[in-house]
Amino acid sequence: DVKVTQSSRYLVKRTGEKVFLECVQDMDHENMFWYRQDPGLGLRLIYFSYDVKMKEKGDIPEGYSVSREKKERFSLILESASTNQTSMYLCASSSGTGEIGELFFGEGSRLTVL
Amino acid sequence: GQNIDQPTEMTATEGAIVQINCTYQTSGFNGLFWYQQHAGEAPTFLSYNVLDGLEEKGRFSSFLSRSKGYSYLLLKELQMKDSASYLCAGMDSNYQLIWGAGTKLIIKP
Repeated sequence: DVKVTQSSRYLVKRTGEKVFLECVQDMDHENMFWYRQDPGLGLRLIYFSYDVKMKEKGDIPEGYSVSREKKERFSLILESASTNQTSMYLCASSSGTGEIGELFFGEGSRLTVL
Repeated sequence: GQNIDQPTEMTATEGAIVQINCTYQTSGFNGLFWYQQHAGEAPTFLSYNVLDGLEEKGRFSSFLSRSKGYSYLLLKELQMKDSASYLCAGMDSNYQLIWGAGTKLIIKP
């Protein structure tokens, strides 16, 4: 059974803290994505990666960075968390070109920044 | 600009049929996706349409009209477990997904 695992389901952090969100997939997928999901808005793409060591900015990369040192792992980093980064963060992976094909999502990480 | 529009919320009765509409405007078009997301859970893939017409998959069907920029998801024989949000997403010419805000479907007994 295919699986995308996010390290933390719920996090509470303080303004200015550095936050790491980890995502691991076991499907040998080339493509990995980080989205945030906020009420009343569609999923917004933060960063994505088509290969190890590669990263591309999505629609809202400001305040975030990513790391992909291994094919199966894609990390999202908030260098200095702010209250407007309180959100649900979803990691996804897919095979194929770009986002073509089925996206497999993790369960999500709900981050609250106080 | 690129945009996906779908109703915010719909209510239907167990055993009935419901149609969730989605209109899209994308720069180029490489297909239309539907995902299901139960509260507190990950979205899961339901369907992908790139050609005009209806695709049936069990109780769920998805329709696409490229000339009208329109899609719908049809759910038959509704069950309580179908209560969820349904996300519509269009893929543009760069193979990027543009997501709608989702339609929350409430099923009543």
